[in-house]
Amino acid sequence: ILNVEQSPQSLHVQEGDSTNFTCSFPSSNFYALHWYRWETAKSPEALFVMTLNGDEKKKGRISATLNTKEGYSYLYIKGSQPEDSATYLCAPSGGNKLVFGAGTILRVKS
Amino acid sequence: GAVVSQHPSRVICKSGTSVKIECRSLDFQATTMFWYRQFPKKSLMLMATSNEGSKATYEQGVEKDKFLINHASLTLSTLTVTSAHPEDSSFYICSATLDVYEQYFGPGTRLTVT
Repeated sequence: ILNVEQSPQSLHVQEGDSTNFTCSFPSSNFYALHWYRWETAKSPEALFVMTLNGDEKKKGRISATLNTKEGYSYLYIKGSQPEDSATYLCAPSGGNKLVFGAGTILRVKS
Repeated sequence: GAVVSQHPSRVICKSGTSVKIECRSLDFQATTMFWYRQFPKKSLMLMATSNEGSKATYEQGVEKDKFLINHASLTLSTLTVTSAHPEDSSFYICSATLDVYEQYFGPGTRLTVT
């Protein structure tokens, strides 16, 4: 899997705003799609792993969807909080190897 | 659970010296560990896959003699940057797997070669 693209590159929102990011990837040789949340000076934290077309997962205010046929995943954050500020990485895999996008940097202002 | 540590978090070394970075899975046994490198404003790039008790598998373009990987036990993998040069300055991060779906990452190591 090559050419994983994430958009936007960065995002500044106000506390309480809802937001979403996109991850695009080649749909061939797809196995799973991972989303990670990465705060500065900390380890990337696994948010979701999705494998099936149409998968939707939710964790608190954060949710994600997966379309393997067209090769994209959306990550949604409802009611953003300052503590949501981080870099959000997506990584499709064709097995146990992850191929990372460059990430979306989210900054939430209080 | 599933905590991975890395040591050191930052290291500065002189050109020509070697630097060892350790990656440990603290509360689980990891048959497979991965080493990544991040260039400024770029994504994490997989360098190599490390399996306990066997030789590491390197990605295309990664020099195995420059980046020595040892996976001596189910909880420890080491990356040694040999004869470091300024262009090796980067952020190195490891991950360890419980199964094919989950990778748990360490906090990374910032290497600066002067």
